Amino acid sequence: GAGVSQSPRYKVAKRGQDVALRCDPISGHVSLFWYQQALGQGPEFLTYFQNEAQLDKSGLPSDRFFAERPEGSVSTLKIQRTQQEDSAVYLCASSLETTGWRSNEKLFFGSGTQLSVL
Amino acid sequence: AQSVTQLGSHVSVSEGALVLLRCNYSSSVPPYLFWYVQYPNQGLQLLLKYTSAATLVKGINGFEAEFKKSETSFHLTKPSAHMSDAAEYFCAVKGNTGKLIFGQGTTLQVKP
Repeated sequence: GAGVSQSPRYKVAKRGQDVALRCDPISGHVSLFWYQQALGQGPEFLTYFQNEAQLDKSGLPSDRFFAERPEGSVSTLKIQRTQQEDSAVYLCASSLETTGWRSNEKLFFGSGTQLSVL
Repeated sequence: AQSVTQLGSHVSVSEGALVLLRCNYSSSVPPYLFWYVQYPNQGLQLLLKYTSAATLVKGINGFEAEFKKSETSFHLTKPSAHMSDAAEYFCAVKGNTGKLIFGQGTTLQVKP
């Protein structure tokens, strides 16, 4: 596709429900990131994939959060037993190459999924 | 560890006035620094980045930023604000594992 696509655009869940958020990165992009953006805050890193390998999940706030990218393209972020504090915009980003602290790749962001937990 | 601090959560300027959005960073190594813009209901868009080449970096839409090591700053400027510049702006530094670490954001309001 032309850009990073995320679905659904909006998700309302009752507390305790499980949710699954989908990210379709740009075709051929190796790196994929998930970020969480709470209202009025900057995005915070959740997890990073290089192809199908989850290389960094240090930002996942609890074991209720789980992400996968089984075939190295589409990724799903799953949140089990949602809590009100999970309400946020979840952003997905991808880049063509592998990332590293001295790499110069460009990151492309999706429009995000706004999750509201009631 | 790397971090960024954006000074001022809201900045209001008149159309045609100078835009100045402040960002200070903390990094134990020479940093890679970024400015992103987020329009309502859209994803983040890269405005410009500093990767240890020229200290004055020019970006899209007439924005530029100057890396000042002595002040640990990377402030974003634009000589003349347009109404279309109204958005949320984020400063970010690249962490040592490649992930971006964002500031809290600054909302820019442009008054006619």
